[in-house]
Amino acid sequence: NAGVTQTPKFQVLKTGQSMTLQCAQDMNHEYMSWYRQDPGMGLRLIHYSVGAGITDQGEVPNGYNVSRSTTEDFPLRLLSAAPSQTSVYFCASSYSQDLKAFFGQGTRLTVV
Amino acid sequence: DAKTTQPPSMDCAEGRAANLPCNHSTISGNEYVYWYRQIHSQGPQYIIHGLKNNETNEMASLIITEDRKSSTLILPHATLRDTAVYYCIVRVQNDYKLSFGAGTTVTVRA
Repeated sequence: NAGVTQTPKFQVLKTGQSMTLQCAQDMNHEYMSWYRQDPGMGLRLIHYSVGAGITDQGEVPNGYNVSRSTTEDFPLRLLSAAPSQTSVYFCASSYSQDLKAFFGQGTRLTVV
Repeated sequence: DAKTTQPPSMDCAEGRAANLPCNHSTISGNEYVYWYRQIHSQGPQYIIHGLKNNETNEMASLIITEDRKSSTLILPHATLRDTAVYYCIVRVQNDYKLSFGAGTTVTVRA
């Protein structure tokens, strides 16, 4: 039981490049979400999913796409990276009725 | 609109109890109080949650006032490993979104 696994842990991108941040959970959780955390700030919700095939926007969705083809995986795609997307990204999952969320260890992304 | 108000920082002596306050004066009747913490560079970690009764688990105790407008998280015997940012969050049980504010930075000193 690995919990929530995020890959990669670190990434440097050039402006305009695209990439996918991976998130996988092995707890059969229905709900998954992506947050970003900028220095000295709390987490902000980017996108979330309440089950396979269902996604919705959070607080700061612009510049990001998500899909949920399986219960286990919830990848986050950066379409055209910008320096403003330099941040630490956290993936989280929980059961639908149990809002105790489990977080991954984060992906530290730098866009130059 | 911030739903919770927390002090930005506090210090605590190792081995002593740490009492972390949170004000949520506009809380609705169906909103729960959740606490998470984030140790430096790690993902947030769930601590405890409650509706109106006091709650205790292996990590902490949660004391909610009778009018539910404020609560206190108690770490009974703080250790250096409890140094972290602590977030107080209010939410309805079927709202999957967690709204994190700035939290309280707790520093436990030897």
